[in-house]
Amino acid sequence: AQSVAQPEDQVNVAEGNPLTVKCTYSVSGNPYLFWYVQYPNRGLQFLLKYITGDNLVKGSYGFEAEFNKSQTSFHLKKPSALVSDSALYFCAVRRHNAGNMLTFGGGTRLMVKP
Amino acid sequence: EAGVTQSPTHLIKTRGQQVTLRCSPISGHTSVYWYQQALGLGLQFLLWYDEGEERNRGNFPPRFSGRQFPNYSSELNVNALELEDSALYLCASSLQMTDTQYFGPGTRLTVL
Repeated sequence: AQSVAQPEDQVNVAEGNPLTVKCTYSVSGNPYLFWYVQYPNRGLQFLLKYITGDNLVKGSYGFEAEFNKSQTSFHLKKPSALVSDSALYFCAVRRHNAGNMLTFGGGTRLMVKP
Repeated sequence: EAGVTQSPTHLIKTRGQQVTLRCSPISGHTSVYWYQQALGLGLQFLLWYDEGEERNRGNFPPRFSGRQFPNYSSELNVNALELEDSALYLCASSLQMTDTQYFGPGTRLTVL
């Protein structure tokens, strides 16, 4: 079985400040980890993924995420938040060589205030 | 390059009816996935098709079914609609079975 936890339902940050959206996972074997963003009444947009290699992954729109195997975490970060970053963020995990089903966390709403 | 497209955008049905949702993957993508995003339940995996075959299904009753056509487009069928089927149904596609999934805008289904 595989699972993802996003411990914060909502994260509030001021524009220009750094942001972190937390994600922890549980999966047997090597994980494939993903971050997606969802704007109101829209589908999910792919931000970044970790498959293997460098633990720091850079993605779209200035976002990055750090894979930490010992803490089973994959937190999403951005050095300077924009008001337009306000959206719903989902972390997802897929087990290597175990089909392509994604298991999603419950989502974290990011609110960036001017 | 066109993204994943889904139709219709919105749909209103009554309990007991049947519905068909459609998805066209990104050109060249052979795998199609369906997910349900229901209020309070998050995103749940429904079905995965690759090369015309059903490869995996999530924990949903048999009244949820689908198929993938030779051009890799896909349909999701839901029979005997129940109120709790009201949700946003998202389709995603990937180049290969193990590649990144790219999502469409979804179909909002309301069951009255």
